[in-house]
Amino acid sequence: EPEVTQTPSHQVTQMGQEVILRCVPISNHLYFYWYRQILGQKVEFLVSFYNNEISEKSEIFDDQFSVERPDGSNFTLKIRSTKLEDSAMYFCASSEVRTGHHNEQFFGPGTRLTVL
Amino acid sequence: AQSVTQPDIHITVSEGASLELRCNYSYGATPYLFWYVQSPGQGLQLLLKYFSGDTLVQGIKGFEAEFKRSQSSFNLRKPSVHWSDAAEYFCAVRPNFGNEKLTFGTGTRLTIIP
Repeated sequence: EPEVTQTPSHQVTQMGQEVILRCVPISNHLYFYWYRQILGQKVEFLVSFYNNEISEKSEIFDDQFSVERPDGSNFTLKIRSTKLEDSAMYFCASSEVRTGHHNEQFFGPGTRLTVL
Repeated sequence: AQSVTQPDIHITVSEGASLELRCNYSYGATPYLFWYVQSPGQGLQLLLKYFSGDTLVQGIKGFEAEFKRSQSSFNLRKPSVHWSDAAEYFCAVRPNFGNEKLTFGTGTRLTIIP
């Protein structure tokens, strides 16, 4: 069964460093998402991406964040200068794009980011 | 803006007992509704979803949920819980069109006692 994969599973970085979180969406999916979950809190939407551009972003997704689809399979989230408060679990999700259909989002296992 | 409320932060039930987790949503129309489960340190697994039609939906692991439009609720139920059901449960909603984002509730942590 196809699934969304994410690497690494755990990333530890120093405050101020850049990190790139990687996701491989399901192969025939065209809509991609990043969500994050700070420890003990709810899952929050960060950004959605379609047709090589951002469709929607939350107020959390400020200038230090960026997303990219560098090739035909990967979808990345970059944090330019990490802060302590960026420590969280980051989930990637993807969905098909079918007019008139439900287009369920499938989630990856997450990357736990720890900023020291 | 849409929102989801899960009023119970933590619930403890005995193994074999029945379970109901509450979820209320606020949205201008009927959204799509979901329940996800998250085991410690794990990702999000979809338990069940409601799009339209029969208001009682069946999911995996013996869970079911009932959509009640008049109460703006989508409560999750299981007749008899197992120790392996101990986890965090999230209710989520999204608009009923396109590829819109999911809005999650704050979650309910379920503890099972022997």
